[in-house]
Amino acid sequence: DTEVTQTPKHLVMGMTNKKSLKCEQHMGHRAMYWYKQKAKKPPELMFVYSYEKLSINESVPSRFSPECPNSSLLNLHLHALQPEDSALYLCASSQGAPGNTEAFFGQGTRLTVV
Amino acid sequence: TQLLEQSPQFLSIQEGENLTVYCNSSSVFSSLQWYRQEPGEGPVLLVTVVTGGEVKKLKRLTFQFGDARKDSSLHITAAQPGDTGLYLCAGETDSWGKFQFGAGTQVVVTP
Repeated sequence: DTEVTQTPKHLVMGMTNKKSLKCEQHMGHRAMYWYKQKAKKPPELMFVYSYEKLSINESVPSRFSPECPNSSLLNLHLHALQPEDSALYLCASSQGAPGNTEAFFGQGTRLTVV
Repeated sequence: TQLLEQSPQFLSIQEGENLTVYCNSSSVFSSLQWYRQEPGEGPVLLVTVVTGGEVKKLKRLTFQFGDARKDSSLHITAAQPGDTGLYLCAGETDSWGKFQFGAGTQVVVTP
């Protein structure tokens, strides 16, 4: 199983809503990532979890709140988002060891904030 | 600041032609990956190169890692419409578990 599963695939939310994005992998990977991707741009790193601990936060606004309940799951809680936060949100996982960071990505959640 | 520079940004070719995409940096990477991404989908890993001077082949795709581990290239022979997509290189930085993407090269192969 080399899949990273993200749900939902599409999400439309208002600026006052609270929603969560979910990500799951069963490859035994110890690093999990959230990326944000705008159209025609590369993915931008948001957060990295290593061994279920937040190791990197790329100065992401607090309206995005990550959570790693266990080694297979990664959530991204969304609250009071802005229209400019509309993007493709990608989850990825990797072994996380130096020299072994090749990542497997989910299909993404297409988020639209209205 | 983009650590990895990709060129060209956009490439449109006819089926059967060859193409090369470049990924350059002033930084040394311990490993570098190439991904292909189709619209609305996540990037799919194509290859990882680790050793300076390494060459890897994946059917019609040839990947090369520079001797100094600062640059890489992807060459596609006899491109097909199925090769259309956004090609991204990503280098492993010093930070454990972190890698940096290049800006991407959009490749369009027309029949």
